[in-house]
Amino acid sequence: EPEVTQTPSHQVTQMGQEVILRCVPISNHLYFYWYRQILGQKVEFLVSFYNNEISEKSEIFDDQFSVERPDGSNFTLKIRSTKLEDSAMYFCASSELAGGMDTQYFGPGTRLTVL
Amino acid sequence: AQTVTQSQPEMSVQEAETVTLSCTYDTSESDYYLFWYKQPPSRQMILVIRQEAYKQQNATENRFSVNFQKAAKSFSLKISDSQLGDAAMYFCAYRPRDDKIIFGKGTRLHILP
Repeated sequence: EPEVTQTPSHQVTQMGQEVILRCVPISNHLYFYWYRQILGQKVEFLVSFYNNEISEKSEIFDDQFSVERPDGSNFTLKIRSTKLEDSAMYFCASSELAGGMDTQYFGPGTRLTVL
Repeated sequence: AQTVTQSQPEMSVQEAETVTLSCTYDTSESDYYLFWYKQPPSRQMILVIRQEAYKQQNATENRFSVNFQKAAKSFSLKISDSQLGDAAMYFCAYRPRDDKIIFGKGTRLHILP
């Protein structure tokens, strides 16, 4: 069964450094998402992406964050200057269609630790 | 504001028994979708079951079923014949007609052998 993959599984970085989290969505999916889960808290929506542009973003997704689909398979989340509070699990998800019942399939997550 | 509330931070159930996880949500929308996701220790998010708000019939997936009460804005998950592999964090989630999913804080389910 096709699945969403994410790399790396764990990223450790120094405060102020840039990080890029990578995701490979399911190949025929057109809609891509990033979610974040701070340890012990709920999963929060960051951004959705379709047709090479952001379709929706949350208040968390400020100017420090950006997303890109650099080629036909990868979907990346960049944090320009990491802060301690960016430490979290970051989940990528993809869906074939937007809205409604179309299931968002989640990747295994990248654990980001900012020191 | 659209919110999802899971009032039980943790629950325990004996293996082979039945357990019900509670969820309520707040919305002014009439058309939306509800989900339960499971997050095992591996932290992968796995869809367990989903429900369309316009359907009165409760969704069922094998040992998992929901009790959807639209007027009460309640969406509970029942797990029958609990198995050790069911031990996980369970998130109730709401999705309006736009993209994003809104998650509750989760209920950690322990299965007692």
